[in-house]
Amino acid sequence: EVQLLESGGGLVQPGGSLRLSCAASGFTFSSYAMNWVRQAPGKGLEWVSGIVGSGDSTNYADSVKGRFTISRDNSKNTLYLQMNSLKDEDTAVYYCAKARSSSWQFDYWGQGTLVTVSS
Amino acid sequence: DIQMTQSPSSVSASVGDRVTITCRASQGISSWLAWYQQKPGKAPKNLIYAASSLQSGVPSRFSGSGSGTDFTLTISSLQPEDFATYYCQQANSFPLTFGGGTKVEIK
Repeated sequence: EVQLLESGGGLVQPGGSLRLSCAASGFTFSSYAMNWVRQAPGKGLEWVSGIVGSGDSTNYADSVKGRFTISRDNSKNTLYLQMNSLKDEDTAVYYCAKARSSSWQFDYWGQGTLVTVSS
Repeated sequence: DIQMTQSPSSVSASVGDRVTITCRASQGISSWLAWYQQKPGKAPKNLIYAASSLQSGVPSRFSGSGSGTDFTLTISSLQPEDFATYYCQQANSFPLTFGGGTKVEIK
């Protein structure tokens, strides 16, 4: 059974940093691209970043480019999102999502972790 | 960036009704489209991938169609557990983008 468990969310001041983690199990982690998708309170879904299985290639939404860094440790079956220079508008539930084979469509999602940016 | 436009933004329907949701891409995306269902306080769940393929475990009353720029999600006979918000997502090119969502409410 595929399981994705996010952690690391919390309250942080504007300009601060936070690192999210997503522990994966139930599949061969290194074989699949992984993503972060966020959802601001009461709003729709926004893709944030994606990384291929090897970790060699990454992509970002313009809204986070230069501030967020996605990475993965395939030996630990864990996905990360380092978030720096946080802004109020980064407040959201952050989901990790597994991509389907050879596609950037998401077949499994974690339960999400809430990040609140506020002074 | 590819813009995804869903319509309607909300729909009121009764149990047993047929419901159709439309998603239009601002440029052609072949069949690189997925549909998700989200219930309040829960993570999204994949229903359809590659525009028309049913995700394992998803009831057959859900179906998807379309290619290029115009896509539809159809629920053939609405069940109580189907009241939720539905999103389309294009996987053709980065940045990946979602439609604004369609909330299916009880009539």
